[in-house]
Amino acid sequence: KNEVEQSPQNLTAQEGEFITINCSYSVGISALHWLQQHPGGGIVSLFMLSSGKKKHGRLIATINIQEKHSSLHITASHPRDSAVYICAGHLYNTDKLIFGTGTRLQVFP
Amino acid sequence: DVKVTQSSRYLVKRTGEKVFLECVQDMDHENMFWYRQDPGLGLRLIYFSYDVKMKEKGDIPEGYSVSREKKERFSLILESASTNQTSMYLCASSPERGGNIQYFGAGTRLSVL
Repeated sequence: KNEVEQSPQNLTAQEGEFITINCSYSVGISALHWLQQHPGGGIVSLFMLSSGKKKHGRLIATINIQEKHSSLHITASHPRDSAVYICAGHLYNTDKLIFGTGTRLQVFP
Repeated sequence: DVKVTQSSRYLVKRTGEKVFLECVQDMDHENMFWYRQDPGLGLRLIYFSYDVKMKEKGDIPEGYSVSREKKERFSLILESASTNQTSMYLCASSPERGGNIQYFGAGTRLSVL
């Protein structure tokens, strides 16, 4: 069993739909990262959060420390949101991240 | 903006060749990382460095070595490339130690034939 698990693995949506990607972890972490990877490889950090909720534009990330669970929400999805979304846990007292295997999102017009 | 530059986007090498992957960051970051990314496995840490000439093994260091002679540059070396090292390689950097956002390069897709 992976220490960081994401669901679903693949997700398709129509433009405008509300999207949720889930991440559960079983290790002790100091923070949870959400990353976005577009075709071609480049990875961009979207959020780093250790409690509560963060919002940036149409993206919202939440974390529940007790339940060891985080969600990434995309409101009013758009085809340019099509990408792989990766969650990663930052291990306590280290500089190391443990990554989920990613959720491939496709948003169709 | 932080910039992490990897020297090649695509690379094709033959089995047994010595391969150098170069990574340069322009923000004076302390930490630099090398990952490989394979379908279904996600990103896995090969090596990281938290200072010049300092290095620590990650989760899958076998078959790789690294060099950090200058703060801005972190090189990944495949001493004798093998077909199972065909993968996407990603470099990242982060400021200071402990709990920071990592900034990633565009990746190098390496094929070993």
